[in-house]
Amino acid sequence: ETGVTQTPRHLVMGMTNKKSLKCEQHLGHNAMYWYKQSAKKPLELMFVYNFKEQTENNSVPSRFSPECPNSSHLFLHLHTLQPEDSALYLCASSQGGGFGATGELFFGEGSRLTVL
Amino acid sequence: GENVEQHPSTLSVQEGDSAVIKCTYSDSASNYFPWYKQELGKGPQLIIDIRSNVGEKKDQRIAVTLNKTAKHFSLHITETQPEDSAVYFCAASKGSNYQLIWGAGTKLIIKP
Repeated sequence: ETGVTQTPRHLVMGMTNKKSLKCEQHLGHNAMYWYKQSAKKPLELMFVYNFKEQTENNSVPSRFSPECPNSSHLFLHLHTLQPEDSALYLCASSQGGGFGATGELFFGEGSRLTVL
Repeated sequence: GENVEQHPSTLSVQEGDSAVIKCTYSDSASNYFPWYKQELGKGPQLIIDIRSNVGEKKDQRIAVTLNKTAKHFSLHITETQPEDSAVYFCAASKGSNYQLIWGAGTKLIIKP
């Protein structure tokens, strides 16, 4: 148990569906992240929120829409995805602004997304 | 752009032997180098990290070495055990702001 909870753990959706991924952290951290993990590739940073403000958007297509209503919750809204978007989506949190003093990221177990 | 090369992609060692994973980075401003372990069905978890003012750091059976001149750093695991089987990721900070550039991962297999 890392203190970061992601739901759902598995999601299958068609290209025309709209779905959302949810992340909740119980660590009192101020920064939250969405990463995309594809097989045998480096982790891809998608979005960073620091004190609920988006600080990074690494050229992510608009079919991915993040939402951070407070420092403990992070959503990733999905709309008209493509099959190549199938991957494991990881949420993470860290203390302080950006990576804070410790630099440690705490990851959830991920949401496995399959786009048909 | 900046990148991190990680080798090997798969490493199989006999239980009790040592394992070494190597990473090379390109951004000379990188000053923070963590290693994460990802077990099956779980997210990555930090196991050790090193900062650029230190050449080596050790924590029980794991150690990390850093050569800033050559821009490479390595993870050493001694006396490997079955629970060490996992995918290991290295990363380097992007400049000094701690955004990370990740390696592609090494699948470590411990043979009984």
